[in-house]
Amino acid sequence: AQRVTQPEKLLSVFKGAPVELKCNYSYSGSPELFWYVQYSRQRLQLLLRHISRESIKGFTADLNKGETSFHLKKPFAQEEDSAMYYCALSGPGDKLIFGTGTRLQVFP
Amino acid sequence: GAVVSQHPSRVICKSGTSVKIECRSLDFQATTMFWYRQFPKKSLMLMATSNEGSKATYEQGVEKDKFLINHASLTLSTLTVTSAHPEDSSFYICSARAHGAISYEQYFGPGTRLTVT
Repeated sequence: AQRVTQPEKLLSVFKGAPVELKCNYSYSGSPELFWYVQYSRQRLQLLLRHISRESIKGFTADLNKGETSFHLKKPFAQEEDSAMYYCALSGPGDKLIFGTGTRLQVFP
Repeated sequence: GAVVSQHPSRVICKSGTSVKIECRSLDFQATTMFWYRQFPKKSLMLMATSNEGSKATYEQGVEKDKFLINHASLTLSTLTVTSAHPEDSSFYICSARAHGAISYEQYFGPGTRLTVT
């Protein structure tokens, strides 16, 4: 079965500290993985996708098929990074399967 | 561009009544719209996929007679919760995908908070 697991509900760091939001997936096939972000009082929006191998707002994520992981990383967190982050997998029929989300709090 | 709106943003209804939630793509034509439900502190769960002009495809465990979805035009999809009960209280989110867009290019609405009393 396809599944996305985000083990941390809350991650709190101080400004300037490194951040890693964990995501593990279960999928039989070649997955497409994404990170979505939801800032306070805003709608869900796409942050980045693994196939583009891009860095958005300083965040990167590498797909590790051996560990079935797609952790989101940023070397120096900023206060404006505080938000809810969802890892997602594109499954059959192009449906998105979401993890439960991790709330990132960056303290000044 | 690529804005999706939902109306209403919040609704309170009495048990046994029906409530309709609208999802609109404001500046693009959405051939596919998705309806999600989000429980407190839980993930977004896909309820159904609707394609313009055809019947919605419901996920396993979602009652199609309870959650009626209509996608009558390229810019509007509606979700009607029929005979609502308190357990239907939740946050409902829609997303829209444009014609020919890649799978992940879904634009999300702001969500509708439904409270059934």
